[in-house]
Amino acid sequence: DAGITQSPRHKVTETGTPVTLRCHQTENHRYMYWYRQDPGHGLRLIHYSYGVKDTDKGEVSDGYSVSRSKTEDFLLTLESATSSQTSVYFCASSRGQPRTDTQYFGPGTRLTVL
Amino acid sequence: GIQVEQSPPDLILQEGANSTLRCNFSDSVNNLQWFHQNPWGQLINLFYIPSGTKQNGRLSATTVATERYSLLYISSSQTTDSGVYFCAVEGGTSYGKLTFGQGTILTVHP
Repeated sequence: DAGITQSPRHKVTETGTPVTLRCHQTENHRYMYWYRQDPGHGLRLIHYSYGVKDTDKGEVSDGYSVSRSKTEDFLLTLESATSSQTSVYFCASSRGQPRTDTQYFGPGTRLTVL
Repeated sequence: GIQVEQSPPDLILQEGANSTLRCNFSDSVNNLQWFHQNPWGQLINLFYIPSGTKQNGRLSATTVATERYSLLYISSSQTTDSGVYFCAVEGGTSYGKLTFGQGTILTVHP
């Protein structure tokens, strides 16, 4: 699979604090994605990027922002974390557009908001 | 948006048995992928298969796009096959976004 790393792998934080998760890929993939995985909901798309500085919202984007200043890095920020954002977060990337290319996933970040 | 339903939700097998997992989707698709999420949480690509049939070792998959379903076959199952199998699709009005099914939890006993 593609070389995708996420950091941190685990984080515990308190309600109201800002949190940034980092995704780094070494495949020079143009497209990158952030998903969250919750019991009963499967994986849901938060935001995605189709190039440096080009991002768009997914189905559960409220409370999240993203930035992509370099091809290899895609950051997910929770401006003010809430308990409902406790989840496992996955980053993914693909060389081509989502319609026609395989997405490869990172190892995930487990976030707990107390 | 597009709806994805996977069946069965749970499956328990003895090592060596064969199984078929199903994914139904509600609209035409451009992208369909099967993933295995292992007990450590890692999502592993199995197949990119918006149509046709593919095989990789003991695993194979078939997508019949005109009838809006895909099947994942696991033959001679092993304990390492345990985990959750997800089908994910992109299509219909869900442009550019993979929509995941709820998954099939597979447990293979020795």
